[in-house]
Amino acid sequence: GQNIDQPTEMTATEGAIVQINCTYQTSGFNGLFWYQQHAGEAPTFLSYNVLDGLEEKGRFSSFLSRSKGYSYLLLKELQMKDSASYLCAVRDDGGGSYIPTFGRGTSLIVHP
Amino acid sequence: GAGVSQSPSNKVTEKGKDVELRCDPISGHTALYWYRQSLGQGLEFLIYFQGNSAPDKSGLPSDRFSAERTGGSVSTLTIQRTQQEDSAVYLCASSLVVGGGDEQYFGPGTRLTVT
Repeated sequence: GQNIDQPTEMTATEGAIVQINCTYQTSGFNGLFWYQQHAGEAPTFLSYNVLDGLEEKGRFSSFLSRSKGYSYLLLKELQMKDSASYLCAVRDDGGGSYIPTFGRGTSLIVHP
Repeated sequence: GAGVSQSPSNKVTEKGKDVELRCDPISGHTALYWYRQSLGQGLEFLIYFQGNSAPDKSGLPSDRFSAERTGGSVSTLTIQRTQQEDSAVYLCASSLVVGGGDEQYFGPGTRLTVT
């Protein structure tokens, strides 16, 4: 099984930088995903990490440390539209399962 | 092209009734997943289909839940004798390939309310 932990809620100011952490415990590891979910909408894919290091994609970056069971999502130049829930999902490599397990999500509130 | 679609978008049903939820995945996607999401909770895995392989039903919470996928495309999730604790948003997702960075494309969900 997997345990995935992320903060429940965070607040930040428009234009600032925010880092959302995700820690996980898993018997094996086969990739970590970040998804964004606006209220009442479906989750949408943001990033995928399988090797240690930083993946940058525009204003969003995601970091992974497999040895520490740790990832973060970094959002720069925050905009009001970034207010959403951010879901961390981890895929175990055991048993041929390709099903990611999702954390409870971090609700990010961006205020002016 | 079209994304993942689900129907109905909202369903209100009485306790004890059966419901069917439909998912149309993106054409050509071999993998299909069902999740449910309760208020303030993460996505709870229910069932997974991959091509012609036997589905992974390990997430189904009880034998009242079942799902099928016809012709490797459309999927139906059936909940029999619904209970109030079944109230949630049921999300369907599909992905092109299995393994690697296969991002999941989610449908808009079906909000189920059991009264």
